[in-house]
Amino acid sequence: GAVVSQHPSWVICKSGTSVKIECRSLDFQATTMFWYRQFPKQSLMLMATSNEGSKATYEQGVEKDKFLINHASLTLSTLTVTSAHPEDSSFYICSARDQGRLGYGYTFGSGTRLTVV
Amino acid sequence: GQSLEQPSEVTAVEGAIVQINCTYQTSGFYGLSWYQQHDGGAPTFLSYNALDGLEETGRFSSFLSRSDSYGYLLLQELQMKDSASYFCALYAGNMLTFGGGTRLMVKP
Repeated sequence: GAVVSQHPSWVICKSGTSVKIECRSLDFQATTMFWYRQFPKQSLMLMATSNEGSKATYEQGVEKDKFLINHASLTLSTLTVTSAHPEDSSFYICSARDQGRLGYGYTFGSGTRLTVV
Repeated sequence: GQSLEQPSEVTAVEGAIVQINCTYQTSGFYGLSWYQQHDGGAPTFLSYNALDGLEETGRFSSFLSRSDSYGYLLLQELQMKDSASYFCALYAGNMLTFGGGTRLMVKP
């Protein structure tokens, strides 16, 4: 149980274009999902908290107009990197917690490696 | 805010025991968790300590001391496949804050 599916697993795009990444909770409902960014050999940095039916909460220093988050249903959150630039190349990971389960447990998606050329 | 410190790298031999330490600063938290991440993969949950003491899950154990603001992950009977990055993370306010990660290299 508690599976999070993330697509695509990798994407290459040209500078100036936009890329959408999907994160789905497959067997539970997630009112809250989290988006992380990870550079090579570094830690996971929280970008934003995605809230179903309301605006996302962005961490300090994260451009909300560049990283658009939509959480339109209890099982789907999307991250759109707008007007992508090479410096946006990174590993993006989503996470969700099945609050219906006893105890603790955050589940992560498989990640999306974005390369902007 | 919250911050966590871990050693950046640890090297050990196959079959040995290794301990990865994590010290933290926080104004309050529910618990300390540990995740494993192989290169190019997603973090996978290993262990969680809500209370002080030792939690054992197979070859992996995790320890928490709230009074010392300290925890560790203990890996026993190391295998080559254990070569990965290990992250401690504080669970507070419905979110996780990760440490910098420890890269474990297991040698034959």
